[in-house]
Amino acid sequence: QVQLVQSGAEVKKPGASVKVSCKASGYTFTSYYIHWVRQAPGQGLEWMGIINPTGGRTDNAQKFQDRVTMTRDTSTNTVYMDLSSLRSDDTAVYYCARSLGDPSTFDFWGQGTMVTVSS
Amino acid sequence: SYVLTQPPSVSVAPGKTARITCGGNNIGSKSVHWYQQKPGQAPVVVIYDDSDRPSGIPERFSGSNSGNTATLTISTVEAGDEADYYCQVWDSSSDPYVFGAGTKVTVL
Repeated sequence: QVQLVQSGAEVKKPGASVKVSCKASGYTFTSYYIHWVRQAPGQGLEWMGIINPTGGRTDNAQKFQDRVTMTRDTSTNTVYMDLSSLRSDDTAVYYCARSLGDPSTFDFWGQGTMVTVSS
Repeated sequence: SYVLTQPPSVSVAPGKTARITCGGNNIGSKSVHWYQQKPGQAPVVVIYDDSDRPSGIPERFSGSNSGNTATLTISTVEAGDEADYYCQVWDSSSDPYVFGAGTKVTVL
């Protein structure tokens, strides 16, 4: 069955970076895009960016252009999202989700990774 | 960038019908997807491409999309339908994947 399994919770200090992983299984890794979506406490869903596992091409939301780096490892079917220069308002649950491509839905989601930014 | 507008909350009695709207400029020309999110859980798609239902989603969930409004309809509402619901579209703008702010459905 399709699974997206994310890495565990993180606690970081302001200014630091965090790297969250998303390991895919149960389908052909290169056939689906992977997105990152975050949700601050009590808030809605916010799209951060997309990576094409085939060639590694990425596209970030304007808000995260300078701070988000997405990479993939096709040998382990894993996608990584690195968020730098963390601030307190980056405290959120970070989800990975897959889609077939525009304008397809996000049909499977990871379980989420809580990132807390606190001094 | 494209904006989707949802009501913050909808309340409905068990057994009745809940309708959640998602407004956007000419949204009828786009494919709308709806996600259900229960507390502490990841979102789950309940309707995709305006009105298609993934396997495992009850027929009580349906969707429509026309003009400037898309609608998620939950018929014969059950206590287990209490959740936040988000609409989402793809738009050819700088931030192409857009979510509505979400609607909290409360079952009375």
